Amino acid sequence: AQKVTQAQTEISVVEKEDVTLDCVYETRDTTYYLFWYKQPPSGELVFLIRRNSFDEQNEISGRYSWNFQKSTSSFNFTITASQVVDSAVYFCALRPASGGSYIPTFGRGTSLIVHP
Amino acid sequence: GAVVSQHPSRVICKSGTSVKIECRSLDFQATTMFWYRQFPKKSLMLMATSNEGSKATYEQGVEKDKFLINHASLTLSTLTVTSAHPEDSSFYICSALGSGQVEGNTIYFGEGSWLTVV
Repeated sequence: AQKVTQAQTEISVVEKEDVTLDCVYETRDTTYYLFWYKQPPSGELVFLIRRNSFDEQNEISGRYSWNFQKSTSSFNFTITASQVVDSAVYFCALRPASGGSYIPTFGRGTSLIVHP
Repeated sequence: GAVVSQHPSRVICKSGTSVKIECRSLDFQATTMFWYRQFPKKSLMLMATSNEGSKATYEQGVEKDKFLINHASLTLSTLTVTSAHPEDSSFYICSALGSGQVEGNTIYFGEGSWLTVV
């Protein structure tokens, strides 16, 4: 069985602060994909990143960076110099890469509030 | 990136009527689509997995006769809420499994549909 835990229900920061959203996962699959999605108040889920389990390189995209640590089963997401527009709910997700099941497992989401 | 379009974005219907929500993959073929329901400030609840040309696989506790899913083509899946009741009011989101080298293995979401049953 798969499980994704986002222990932080809500985080509140002031603009320009750095913030890290935690994601810890459990899976018996040897190969899998990890994702992060952003859900602004409008409701649409915006795809941010996909990471393959065999690729532990960290990734940076502008103010966003992701730290994948297979040894601790974590895939944390850091926003540098946060902005008000970053306010949203962020979901971490996991799905197997093989075995025929494409069903993803989502965490409960972390609500990020960035104050001006 | 791949685009998934969901329509309508908002719909209000009377109790007892049926409403259809469409989910289209605009620039890729999606053999697999997922339908989710999301309650306010809650996570996504998977309702069913829809595979093109075959019957949808429903999650435990989801009434398949109430939430009819049809995935008739590689770019379109529909969710019909039959005999809607106020408790069916929710945010419904579809997603599609990308295909091809670039978008493959990534799940892309539609804009979501707010259903209000009065």
